Amino acid sequence: DAKTTQPPSMDCAEGRAANLPCNHSTISGNEYVYWYRQIHSQGPQYIIHGLKNNETNEMASLIITEDRKSSTLILPHATLRDTAVYYCIVRAYIYGQNFVFGPGTRLSVLP
Amino acid sequence: DVKVTQSSRYLVKRTGEKVFLECVQDMDHENMFWYRQDPGLGLRLIYFSYDVKMKEKGDIPEGYSVSREKKERFSLILESASTNQTSMYLCASSPSRGASNEKLFFGSGTQLSVL
Repeated sequence: DAKTTQPPSMDCAEGRAANLPCNHSTISGNEYVYWYRQIHSQGPQYIIHGLKNNETNEMASLIITEDRKSSTLILPHATLRDTAVYYCIVRAYIYGQNFVFGPGTRLSVLP
Repeated sequence: DVKVTQSSRYLVKRTGEKVFLECVQDMDHENMFWYRQDPGLGLRLIYFSYDVKMKEKGDIPEGYSVSREKKERFSLILESASTNQTSMYLCASSPSRGASNEKLFFGSGTQLSVL
């Protein structure tokens, strides 16, 4: 079973920040939070991951709460090309732990 | 950029046929994975491999087998295709096992229809 809970869908206006929440209240100390997205008819694409500190890269920012029970993926200036399903995954770096994809959040960026 | 190439984008087969889905990655990744994706069920792991000639069952291995004779190539085999194996099949690779840089790179997928 997926260890995360995400809203099934969200809308965002083009040019605005998209804030996608994820709840992972049972996360363990050695588990990282990963975000992937899947644009229609393509394979999932890695976005960002982190352990406890906030992370930023050219695609997005990841904000993890201090208790690590939830996180938010931020797309600072959403474009129409950001319309996709976004998956939040928790996973430890140990042998046998695989990426478990839940249903994700379907983000629609509206013009 | 890492490239994961799946041999076919669309495939139509008959019930009972033996089906081979091929996947090749060009970045010397150790790990390779096969997922299937169905509406409402998300991505489910079928098999994975952490090294040449090694394979491990994922969550739904029944009806499938795999082969990894070379590091860059991971094949998914449907011994006798059935209609409930109609699905989108996604191959992925990742650079190393148990390391902080382990992240999945996916191919574009093969949409398999079994008639």
